[in-house]
Amino acid sequence: ETGVTQSPTHLIKTRGQQVTLRCSSQSGHNTVSWYQQALGQGPQFIFQYYREEENGRGNFPPRFSGLQFPNYSSELNVNALELDDSALYLCASSSPLAGAEGEQYFGPGTRLTVT
Amino acid sequence: AQTVTQSQPEMSVQEAETVTLSCTYDTSENNYYLFWYKQPPSRQMILVIRQEAYKQQNATENRFSVNFQKAAKSFSLKISDSQLGDTAMYFCAFWRTSYDKVIFGPGTSLSVIP
Repeated sequence: ETGVTQSPTHLIKTRGQQVTLRCSSQSGHNTVSWYQQALGQGPQFIFQYYREEENGRGNFPPRFSGLQFPNYSSELNVNALELDDSALYLCASSSPLAGAEGEQYFGPGTRLTVT
Repeated sequence: AQTVTQSQPEMSVQEAETVTLSCTYDTSENNYYLFWYKQPPSRQMILVIRQEAYKQQNATENRFSVNFQKAAKSFSLKISDSQLGDTAMYFCAFWRTSYDKVIFGPGTSLSVIP
């Protein structure tokens, strides 16, 4: 069973640029959620994708957007980067199986630094 | 709106001792799930334990157990026989329904001292 993977591991961008982060969900998981984790804080929900459709969104502006592909992998896109976007971005997949409701399986994260 | 609070930003415990991490939450829902996640330094976040709100029995996973007090909206994590590998950030999390967002608390940094 392959776990959740994310790429790249680290990324440095300049304010105003655009970035794309990628995530491969765990085998058999059809739901992917993205979180932003600032240093020393808990993860903040950005949005969730279920079967290629956005299924819920947190308090993030529209310049944060995403996609989910037929193989359930996902992308997070951030336009017009701001300094406050510097954070660890976590992808988590979850299983549709009973008995595992709500459990999040996290990837290692992408550390984004905006200068 | 649901909120999750962890009032202990940092804690420490001697190796082999027992420590309890606190978590409170606020919700008007009756059916929900609660979780504790562990995030070791520079490593992936992993699920430690889960509790279904409709179950009165407290969940247990090896050295980890919870004290779930639904009326008080309290969900504490007890780690017995603490090990150096338990050093990590611990996050309490709340999940309401299918396909809804998971809400995380601010975390407690636990250090296990040799």
